[in-house]
Amino acid sequence: GAGVSQSPSNKVTEKGKDVELRCDPISGHTALYWYRQSLGQGLEFLIYFQGNSAPDKSGLPSDRFSAERTGGSVSTLTIQRTQQEDSAVYLCASSLARAGYNEQFFGPGTRLTVL
Amino acid sequence: AQSVTQPDIHITVSEGASLELRCNYSYGATPYLFWYVQSPGQGLQLLLKYFSGDTLVQGIKGFEAEFKRSQSSFNLRKPSVHWSDAAEYFCAVGPQSGGSYIPTFGRGTSLIVHP
Repeated sequence: GAGVSQSPSNKVTEKGKDVELRCDPISGHTALYWYRQSLGQGLEFLIYFQGNSAPDKSGLPSDRFSAERTGGSVSTLTIQRTQQEDSAVYLCASSLARAGYNEQFFGPGTRLTVL
Repeated sequence: AQSVTQPDIHITVSEGASLELRCNYSYGATPYLFWYVQSPGQGLQLLLKYFSGDTLVQGIKGFEAEFKRSQSSFNLRKPSVHWSDAAEYFCAVGPQSGGSYIPTFGRGTSLIVHP
């Protein structure tokens, strides 16, 4: 079956522009997660969705970051007024239920470069 | 707060040699433990997980890990490394206390395999 897909795979933008990153989770997975991975760093949790609601947004680094999920499926992470420190790989993952107890399935990521 | 430590940033082994990647955790209860592998340009893939029962866990690609409660460790092992095992390896422990259920990831260990 299809895995988690993310688009675009690469995004180069200029400082100050807005960007949207998309995640298509595995069908039927109710839980969806966004992470950020900077060079040489581990995974930084950003936000967690259960269905369409986001019970945990604690990892969003600033109010420039927002995310939504519609129809219990596709999710979009939006970064407004991008800064150079936003450059990273943004990973999306989904799981059947709560990730702390269950395997997460990861997408290939979107590499964001802010010039 | 729970934490995961992967003491080795890089590990270099020769093809055919044995491998052990270290993972130490801090957790207030019986942890759920995971090892993920990330090949270049790809998302993370689950190698194995431990929830309960037998403390020696078998995973995919010939990997195994042993849960040692007394040492708070969950080290990953492989008896004979293949060149294709070169990747980044992440240990994770879940779930976080407080109900968010997000696992905590280590910073990763980069495995380099020499021919």
